[in-house]
Amino acid sequence: DTGVSQDPRHKITKRGQNVTFRCDPISEHNRLYWYRQTLGQGPEFLTYFQNEAQLEKSRLLSDRFSAERPKGSFSTLEIQRTEQGDSAMYLCASSPRQNGIETQYFGPGTRLLVL
Amino acid sequence: GEDVEQSLFLSVREGDSSVINCTYTDSSSTYLYWYKQEPGAGLQLLTYIFSNMDMKQDQRLTVLLNKKDKHLSLRIADTQTGDSAIYFCAEGDYGGSQGNLIFGKGTKLSVKP
Repeated sequence: DTGVSQDPRHKITKRGQNVTFRCDPISEHNRLYWYRQTLGQGPEFLTYFQNEAQLEKSRLLSDRFSAERPKGSFSTLEIQRTEQGDSAMYLCASSPRQNGIETQYFGPGTRLLVL
Repeated sequence: GEDVEQSLFLSVREGDSSVINCTYTDSSSTYLYWYKQEPGAGLQLLTYIFSNMDMKQDQRLTVLLNKKDKHLSLRIADTQTGDSAIYFCAEGDYGGSQGNLIFGKGTKLSVKP
């Protein structure tokens, strides 16, 4: 399978705990995106990387959130001191950005439940 | 600010055509996209259209873009029960450094046998 993969697929945690999610993009895709999706809504942009550089962060990305892509391949998204409002599906997407065309391919998501 | 709006529900009979509509506000959008999401799954890219086009056809899918009215539609011909899902319209502006997509809330398509 050469699609975008995410791990874990589901995470249940208690309020105040830290969680970390991993995304493996499609090989050789230089752009990687994180989105958050809550019930009944479309995905909302959090942040994106071009290679290892984090180029943009949404206002949704509070100080408790941090994302890295240290070698320009996989990425991690960490949420510190989780709150019940963090409960959502966290989606990762990657894009090759070829010939000026941007096509984002999404992974299956990590569903987070904060109790 | 940027906004993408879609009707929330559409119900059709198997074999009929489905038309899902979307309006957007950002006139600088470069690309417009349609994604499909099945329950508990991620988003599947169906098709996209560049803003200087007004129509794109891909097998059973036809995308129409009215740039003047900022209106986008997705027509699914011969709709099947397997097409039941939530369909998201999204816009992207890649003229500058912005890389993110702006999504609508999605249209839930129900196909009745």
